[in-house]
Amino acid sequence: GESVGLHLPTLSVQEGDNSIINCAYSNSASDYFIWYKQESGKGPQFIIDIRSNMDKRQGQRVTVLLNKTVKHLSLQIAATQPGDSAVYFCAENSHSGGGADGLTFGKGTHLIIQP
Amino acid sequence: DGGITQSPKYLFRKEGQNVTLSCEQNLNHDAMYWYRQDPGQGLRLIYYSQIVNDFQKGDIAEGYSVSREKKESFPLTVTSAQKNPTAFYLCASSMLGAYGYTFGSGTRLTVV
Repeated sequence: GESVGLHLPTLSVQEGDNSIINCAYSNSASDYFIWYKQESGKGPQFIIDIRSNMDKRQGQRVTVLLNKTVKHLSLQIAATQPGDSAVYFCAENSHSGGGADGLTFGKGTHLIIQP
Repeated sequence: DGGITQSPKYLFRKEGQNVTLSCEQNLNHDAMYWYRQDPGQGLRLIYYSQIVNDFQKGDIAEGYSVSREKKESFPLTVTSAQKNPTAFYLCASSMLGAYGYTFGSGTRLTVV
């Protein structure tokens, strides 16, 4: 079936280094992707999104890259800080006409920032 | 401030009991959703609603029920038919046609 997944369950990086979190998707019809950050005991927070007609989108310290050829999505976090420690989820919605029939979430990558 | 509020934060249920989780939003969002999150897992959709008095089953609706009597409220009842209810439950909302969901802070349900 269709799935959205992440390559690594845990990623440990040194404070100040750049982090790259990866996500693979299987539905070639997916046209919208989102990255969420979830801190322990809290709900997910929107970080950045990208539509399938784009390859790259930048935010503040974050960049999302989309490679439709290999159905791969990545989130790059520059100069990681202790506050970046969280679980990061990618999500997709390949349905047209609205998001109310639900995003499909990956299992998440736990980003650990080492001092 | 606008937002989405879930209560309670922690909930304990005895076997055989029904419990109801509250979700309220003042964002004027049309669509609301309930997700279940298990340790090390992604979010799985339980139910969603696009309009008052209407809702649809998600991927794991068995053992759950919802109502949408008001635009602002979308309570979830975990019934005794749900055999493994211990999980973290997340409510979200969005404008109709939008994918940028706003999530609540979650309710952790434990069976005792």
